Amino acid sequence: DAKTTQPNSMESNEEEPVHLPCNHSTISGTDYIHWYRQLPSQGPEYVIHGLTSNVNNRMASLAIAEDRKSSTLILHRATLRDAAVYYCILSTDSWGKLQFGAGTQVVVTP
Amino acid sequence: ETGVTQSPTHLIKTRGQQVTLRCSSQSGHNTVSWYQQALGQGPQFIFQYYREEENGRGNFPPRFSGLQFPNYSSELNVNALELDDSALYLCASSLKTADTQYFGPGTRLTVL
Repeated sequence: DAKTTQPNSMESNEEEPVHLPCNHSTISGTDYIHWYRQLPSQGPEYVIHGLTSNVNNRMASLAIAEDRKSSTLILHRATLRDAAVYYCILSTDSWGKLQFGAGTQVVVTP
Repeated sequence: ETGVTQSPTHLIKTRGQQVTLRCSSQSGHNTVSWYQQALGQGPQFIFQYYREEENGRGNFPPRFSGLQFPNYSSELNVNALELDDSALYLCASSLKTADTQYFGPGTRLTVL
């Protein structure tokens, strides 16, 4: 199964952008790149996903490298509510099994 | 629109007992997936149910079993509980099998 590599933690100041990197060098052509986040004491929450092109939604932007071996989740203006563990996941099955890694703990300071 | 709900919130069992956890999927969602999350780790996929049939399974022993009902709600059953089964159990529903998954708040199981 294709795996992802993320930094253990990142810190950001409130209202600053946050760029979360993810490496997935063994990604296959049909793998979607998903990002979920998990706030303390809650279940994971969908953030964004994409295949080849960059994607934007109300929560974040996803920038995908041209060779698809890496991607970056961009939170444009971090708030204290964005403090969470962010997971970068490749969906390798047609039925959508999510293989979570350890994720990146994002700390936002006022 | 009601999101994914799980019951109970917390549960304490002793080793060797059996437990049943319940999940109500989001309205209109026919697919339910179950995950186990040990403390400090990411969730691990247990299995998925689609239209009342198991549709895929992770690396968990047969004592982990499940059901999905005609209204698409689901149960996770764990027999012969072990200490390592202590974890947060998460249920996620989706509109179809490979679609975005929406997670419930989880059930915290403690095995003593």
